[in-house]
Amino acid sequence: ETGVTQSPTHLIKTRGQQVTLRCSSQSGHNTVSWYQQALGQGPQFIFQYYREEENGRGNFPPRFSGLQFPNYSSELNVNALELDDSALYLCASSWGDRSYEQYFGPGTRLTVT
Amino acid sequence: GESVGLHLPTLSVQEGDNSIINCAYSNSASDYFIWYKQESGKGPQFIIDIRSNMDKRQGQRVTVLLNKTVKHLSLQIAATQPGDSAVYFCAENIGGNNRLAFGKGNQVVVIP
Repeated sequence: ETGVTQSPTHLIKTRGQQVTLRCSSQSGHNTVSWYQQALGQGPQFIFQYYREEENGRGNFPPRFSGLQFPNYSSELNVNALELDDSALYLCASSWGDRSYEQYFGPGTRLTVT
Repeated sequence: GESVGLHLPTLSVQEGDNSIINCAYSNSASDYFIWYKQESGKGPQFIIDIRSNMDKRQGQRVTVLLNKTVKHLSLQIAATQPGDSAVYFCAENIGGNNRLAFGKGNQVVVIP
């Protein structure tokens, strides 16, 4: 186990709704990266938070937003949910503003109907 | 748990045999590579990493080989065990950027 925890485990939402996913990083890690993994695909980088600020973003629209708190835990918020947002959302923690040695949590399975 | 490996390349290997999983990466500026293992219903698990100034690195039962000339990475698993059944992803970090880019994944099925 990596020590990275995510909640909830599973979530079902309706198109147009908003969702908040949570991640607690591994002890000693100050960086959290979020990834989206569609079924049968590799994870796709959404964004990274380092020292409570966004530190890089992948090719995702602004309705994907996030926060990092002083204890380095993080939230991913998705507004105006679309059916294609159905995926496994993974957070990974690491130390520093580089992505070396990222350790993943178990993920949150989001289903949008 | 849900299946991670739908429609992925699949390697079937007899228990006790060695496995080799291959990955082609796209960016010659990539300077760090990681292999992850993902079991059904779980997040990716770090296996082994290698930096671009190396061409081989060994861990416990695993070896990663890097060929920068042809932009190819491989993971060798010695004496494959049933617990090695999973989807394996290679990931690359590009020139100190802060993100990992993942490949499509390879499913390994160990036959007892």
